[in-house]
Amino acid sequence: DIQMTQSPSSLSASVGDRVTITCRASQGINHYLAWFQQRPGKAPKSLIYAASSLQSGVPSKFSGSGSGTDFTLTISSLQPEDFATYYCQQYNAYPLTFGGGTKVEIK
Amino acid sequence: QVQLQESGPGLVKPSETLSLTCTVSGGSISSYYWNWIRQPPGKGLEWIGYIYYSGSTKYNPSLKSRVTLSVDTSKNQFSLKLTSVTAADTAIYYCARGDSSGYNAYWGQGTLVTVSS
Repeated sequence: DIQMTQSPSSLSASVGDRVTITCRASQGINHYLAWFQQRPGKAPKSLIYAASSLQSGVPSKFSGSGSGTDFTLTISSLQPEDFATYYCQQYNAYPLTFGGGTKVEIK
Repeated sequence: QVQLQESGPGLVKPSETLSLTCTVSGGSISSYYWNWIRQPPGKGLEWIGYIYYSGSTKYNPSLKSRVTLSVDTSKNQFSLKLTSVTAADTAIYYCARGDSSGYNAYWGQGTLVTVSS
């Protein structure tokens, strides 16, 4: 299985901050990487697919980059509704696997 | 906009079979890959498997011996059966629609299944 490692596992940030989350794959996954946001008590919501493509309806403050084994999700200006847990997921090979999550909390 | 809704018992006894159904609305079940993903309370996400509308399947090897997926195109539904459950199978179970690349863009709201006597 391809292991996905996210860092940090949690972070504290203020409204308006720029936040970057990193995801590393245990082997190359080309650009087959998605990012999801999960608010408490809610289902994961897709943000980014193919490493850098914005899912329809997702605000442009979210951006993704990377290829191969190293990827990043950036939130350009954190807003109250962005405090949530973020997961990366590879879909280059089955079984599909997820990172452990990054919890973004209010400072 | 496609919508997915999970349904089934919220409580299952140990050693019994967990059965869930996902109903798809706002679009046809044809031409997509229909996935199940679970999340133990307070923990991360685990992919269980998918079924293509034609009936072909792929399962996570960690669960393969206990999982069966099926699809009913006439009802726009697909289903999950997980046998011999234990407390470790307690989780929120999500259904999701995937495309040919494996990307799951649309998810149901999830349903909590607790395994307990």
